[in-house]
Amino acid sequence: GENVEQHPSTLSVQEGDSAVIKCTYSDSASNYFPWYKQELGKRPQLIIDIRSNVGEKKDQRIAVTLNKTAKHFSLHITETQPEDSAVYFCAASRGNYQLIWGAGTKLIIKP
Amino acid sequence: NAGVTQTPKFRVLKTGQSMTLLCAQDMNHEYMYWYRQDPGMGLRLIHYSVGEGTTAKGEVPDGYNVSRLKKQNFLLGLESAAPSQTSVYFCASSMDNTKHEQYFGPGTRLTVT
Repeated sequence: GENVEQHPSTLSVQEGDSAVIKCTYSDSASNYFPWYKQELGKRPQLIIDIRSNVGEKKDQRIAVTLNKTAKHFSLHITETQPEDSAVYFCAASRGNYQLIWGAGTKLIIKP
Repeated sequence: NAGVTQTPKFRVLKTGQSMTLLCAQDMNHEYMYWYRQDPGMGLRLIHYSVGEGTTAKGEVPDGYNVSRLKKQNFLLGLESAAPSQTSVYFCASSMDNTKHEQYFGPGTRLTVT
């Protein structure tokens, strides 16, 4: 069936450096790709999303890029800060109703 | 505007007991979802609903039942709890098929002993 692979599972970066998380998807019909951030003990919250008719989207320090041909998309966080420490999930749409989720990346920001 | 709420927040069950988790949303969203979250496995869809009175199976539906009698509520039932159902359960909702963003509830931590 359709799946989303997410790498790495854990990412440790120095405060101020950039972080990149990558996802690949299998369903060529997927057309919506969100990224969620989940802080410890909290609910997942949307931080940025992209649709298949766009190659890149930015929102301040975060950006998402999409390569539909290769079926992969990435989250880029620049100038990382301690509050960026969390688990990040990517997802890809499945039909009109569902999202298929990656397994998550634990991002650790080292002071 | 409370968004998505879930009750209870925590629960401990013995094997074989039953319980119902309640999800409520006040955003007039059409679609609602129940997920379970286990370490290292991301979010797995249990059941979902695309409107009042409708439900459908997700990726891991076995051992669970759902009902959506009112648009704002989505109930998840465990008829006979098993230790494998120990997990954190999240409810989510989204407006419709034009806006895919899913809004999550705070979660229910369930332990089955």
